[in-house]
Amino acid sequence: GDSVTQMEGPVTLSEEACLTINCTYTATGYPSLFWYVQYPGEGLQLLLKATKADDKGSNKGFEATYRKETTSFHLEKGSVQVSDSAVYFCALRFKQGSRLTFGEGTQLTVNP
Amino acid sequence: DTGVSQDPRHKITKRGQNVTFRCDPISEHNRLYWYRQTLGQGPEFLTYFQNEAQLEKSRLLSDRFSAERPKGSFSTLEIQRTEQGDSAMYLCASSFRRVNSPLHFGNGTRLTVT
Repeated sequence: GDSVTQMEGPVTLSEEACLTINCTYTATGYPSLFWYVQYPGEGLQLLLKATKADDKGSNKGFEATYRKETTSFHLEKGSVQVSDSAVYFCALRFKQGSRLTFGEGTQLTVNP
Repeated sequence: DTGVSQDPRHKITKRGQNVTFRCDPISEHNRLYWYRQTLGQGPEFLTYFQNEAQLEKSRLLSDRFSAERPKGSFSTLEIQRTEQGDSAMYLCASSFRRVNSPLHFGNGTRLTVT
């Protein structure tokens, strides 16, 4: 079945460090790919998305590129802030209305 | 836009009891989803509705679980004869029907079965 695998956490960085959270997927066909973020005490929020190969999603300084050849959608940010501390989930979906399949999540802590 | 609202925030129940959770989606959204999340895991899909019709159910949704969305507005998720393995965060989300319309999640209901 379809699945999403994220790098193991937790990840701890100092402010202004570079961030990469790896995400790879297994799926038949070409899904849309998403990153969701869950800040402490809040619900999941969409961070960014890409709907086809080579698309780059970006938001709040985060970026991720849909790589069909490596079935990956790694999340990157050049300079993290304390306010980026959260749990990040990679997810895929095949068509409108069908299920989102999530990875296990990666806890990010950014220290001042 | 008041967001997706879930009630209660926390529920503690004894094994064997029935529980019911409520979700109020964003009013303009016609799609509503239920997910379950256990500690250290990503959310797992349970079921979704388009308006009042339940269009897909996961195999995770055993016979003890039932969800409804009367009149295509709020939704309820009932768990009968709860088991300790049902302890989890139950998440509700809603979206428009448009292609790739993002899901808006509520803060969840945390269920503890003792």
